Amino acid sequence: GAGVSQSPRYKVAKRGQDVALRCDPISGHVSLFWYQQALGQGPEFLTYFQNEAQLDKSGLPSDRFFAERPEGSVSTLKIQRTQQEDSAVYLCASSLAGQAYNEQFFGPGTRLTVL
Amino acid sequence: DAKTTQPNSMESNEEEPVHLPCNHSTISGTDYIHWYRQLPSQGPEYVIHGLTSNVNNRMASLAIAEDRKSSTLILHRATLRDAAVYYCILRDGLEDMRFGAGTRLTVKP
Repeated sequence: GAGVSQSPRYKVAKRGQDVALRCDPISGHVSLFWYQQALGQGPEFLTYFQNEAQLDKSGLPSDRFFAERPEGSVSTLKIQRTQQEDSAVYLCASSLAGQAYNEQFFGPGTRLTVL
Repeated sequence: DAKTTQPNSMESNEEEPVHLPCNHSTISGTDYIHWYRQLPSQGPEYVIHGLTSNVNNRMASLAIAEDRKSSTLILHRATLRDAAVYYCILRDGLEDMRFGAGTRLTVKP
């Protein structure tokens, strides 16, 4: 079956623009995670959903970042008034459930460049 | 959060075994040890995980110290396709995964 998909794969935004990044998880996966990966660093947690409920958003760096998963499937990460420090790869992952032994499946990421 | 310590980089020759170490001295009894790897320009992919006992799968083996304060990921025969950043991560429940910097593995032909 299809893996996790993300769109767009690449996004260039001018500073101050709003962007929306989409994640299509594996069908039937309950848990969905967003990560931010700066160049040369490991991914850093942003937020976590279990079905449509956002259970943890402690990693969102500012109130310009907003994520939603209204029907418990597709998720969108929105960044308002983008800044240059928002440039990074944004990774989405899904898993069957949020148990500690469940494998997370990652998408290819969206590379955001803010000019 | 329990943290892990890994070497920044390692080198291996093709078709030789590779042992990637990870220290996690503050591990709790309910922490699972997970390994993921990230190939260039791709998202991370699962490699293996364990709790107390050593584990084997088609990709690798995971050797866990008896006190669980360290573990070793073993690639039995490295190939050029194994060149990646390898992350050792502790997970204890509904938590997200906290990645560190990982170990960058270079495989020489």
